[in-house]
Amino acid sequence: AQTVTQSQPEMSVQEAETVTLSCTYDTSESNYYLFWYKQPPSRQMILVIRQEAYKQQNATENRFSVNFQKAAKSFSLKISDSQLGDTAMYFCALTNFGNEKLTFGTGTRLTIIP
Amino acid sequence: NAGVTQTPKFQVLKTGQSMTLQCAQDMNHEYMSWYRQDPGMGLRLIHYSVGAGITDQGEVPNGYNVSRSTTEDFPLRLLSAAPSQTSVYFCASRNSGLAGTNEQYFGPGTRLTVT
Repeated sequence: AQTVTQSQPEMSVQEAETVTLSCTYDTSESNYYLFWYKQPPSRQMILVIRQEAYKQQNATENRFSVNFQKAAKSFSLKISDSQLGDTAMYFCALTNFGNEKLTFGTGTRLTIIP
Repeated sequence: NAGVTQTPKFQVLKTGQSMTLQCAQDMNHEYMSWYRQDPGMGLRLIHYSVGAGITDQGEVPNGYNVSRSTTEDFPLRLLSAAPSQTSVYFCASRNSGLAGTNEQYFGPGTRLTVT
């Protein structure tokens, strides 16, 4: 069975600062994908960033980047120059290659303070 | 493209009633899934389909039925609603042709309350 753990239920940071959200996971597979999804108050699930396990290079999307530590099974999300629009729930998720099951963590509620 | 659409957005049911949550996608995706989101538990997979005519159970399938008669539609049926099914339901789809991405696209969700 695969599991995803997010140990920070809530975080807050001042606008323009950098914040890092933690995620650890467990899977017996060697080929898998990791995702960070953002869920604003509108409830829509929005993909923030994706990492393929076979790629050593950490994924980056504008202000969002990940620190993927495969041996440690850690997948943290760094948000640089945080903006008010980044206020949302953030979910870490894992799926094995070719598997439909997307396993989610319990989420981190991030608040950006003006 | 409208992407993934879900109806209704909100629904209140009495215990024992049945209903169908609708999901449609216009991206010609083969794979479609239903998740439920409960407070403090993230999203959990209910049922999924890898193509028309093919469905399978996810992590929490009890009390729900699905069918996939077309590529576009993937309805979720609650047979006899129970208060434990109060949740937010998300439909998602992805394209099997984009090998290696596994990115799922989510609908806007349906908030269901069972009294």
